[in-house]
Amino acid sequence: EPEVTQTPSHQVTQMGQEVILRCVPISNHLYFYWYRQILGQKVEFLVSFYNNEISEKSEIFDDQFSVERPDGSNFTLKIRSTKLEDSAMYFCASSDASGGSYEQYFGPGTRLTVT
Amino acid sequence: KNEVEQSPQNLTAQEGEFITINCSYSVGISALHWLQQHPGGGIVSLFMLSSGKKKHGRLIATINIQEKHSSLHITASHPRDSAVYICAVYLIGRDDKIIFGKGTRLHILP
Repeated sequence: EPEVTQTPSHQVTQMGQEVILRCVPISNHLYFYWYRQILGQKVEFLVSFYNNEISEKSEIFDDQFSVERPDGSNFTLKIRSTKLEDSAMYFCASSDASGGSYEQYFGPGTRLTVT
Repeated sequence: KNEVEQSPQNLTAQEGEFITINCSYSVGISALHWLQQHPGGGIVSLFMLSSGKKKHGRLIATINIQEKHSSLHITASHPRDSAVYICAVYLIGRDDKIIFGKGTRLHILP
């Protein structure tokens, strides 16, 4: 069964460093998402991406964040200068919106630890 | 006020017990998603439903659109069911927008 994959599973970085989190969505999906979950808190929406552009972003998704679909398969989240408070689990999701279904399929997540 | 409320926040039960987790929401939705998150952190989709009831194995999900309420039931619970169960709603007219509940932490004792 097709699935969303994410790499790395765990990333440790120092404050101020840039990180890139990678996702490979399900191949025929057209909508892509990033979510964040700070330890002990609920999952929060960061950004949605469709047709090679951001369709919506939350207030969390400030200028330090960017997303890109550099080729036909990868979808990346970049954090330019990480802060301690960026430590969280980051989930990628994708959906195909076919037949009126927008069900999102989630990747296993990347745990980001900023020290 | 949270747009999606789950209860209880934490639940401990003995193996074999019937489990009910509730989700209430205050916004118009097109669908509701029940998700399971294991201690390792990964999120697994359980059900997506917009009306009625769905069953998969020992899991049953129901939704009442008029009352803006959904329940997730686990029959004959097992320690491997221990996880966080998350309710997430798809906003009506904004099917790409999901709002998550805080989750219910379930612990099944052997």
